Amino acid sequence: RKEVEQDPGPFNVPEGATVAFNCTYSNSASQSFFWYRQDCRKEPKLLMSVYSSGNEDGRFTAQLNRASQYISLLIRDSKLSDSATYLCVIHNQAGTALIFGKGTTLSVSS
Amino acid sequence: GAGVSQSPSNKVTEKGKDVELRCDPISGHTALYWYRQRLGQGLEFLIYFQGNSAPDKSGLPSDRFSAERTGESVSTLTIQRTQQEDSAVYLCASSSTGTSLDTQYFGPGTRLTVL
Repeated sequence: RKEVEQDPGPFNVPEGATVAFNCTYSNSASQSFFWYRQDCRKEPKLLMSVYSSGNEDGRFTAQLNRASQYISLLIRDSKLSDSATYLCVIHNQAGTALIFGKGTTLSVSS
Repeated sequence: GAGVSQSPSNKVTEKGKDVELRCDPISGHTALYWYRQRLGQGLEFLIYFQGNSAPDKSGLPSDRFSAERTGESVSTLTIQRTQQEDSAVYLCASSSTGTSLDTQYFGPGTRLTVL
């Protein structure tokens, strides 16, 4: 089983839609979780950290289910500018490096 | 302020040659990381430097790969006798303290093509 697994998509949605991405991780000892965003041929950038109680940042909501080893990202009222690849990321056991999923591609159209 | 910078932005080399990739972290950041992203793949961790501690080299794929860091500044990643499977984008990141809650800031990457 891969350490971080994501549905690669692509998810094609119209502007204004709500879309959700899921991710599973294999290491139950993982303590830190993140969603990064990567635009085509650009470096990844932190979108948001994921906290146990769930957290929201504007149109973005992240949730963590430790029992199921599952992380989600919900995007409400999608914008054209949300088109990107969304990377589910955890810390390795030593806490020294990030482990990335392959990403889920989102395309928002007008 | 200035972000993480990397050079060169693109490098094309012939199989068997050695290459050096450079990373300038954000000033004051003690932790520095190298990752690799092959086409259509997720990022793979290569190596981690934290201050003057021994680096975590657990992600280096073979002994052809090595990296150095001078103090808390510039790092170079060296790939000896390059192979076609080394073709990838090599990304450097830095964080202020290297703890697991610290944000890692990525540079724009070096796109390496081995012919």
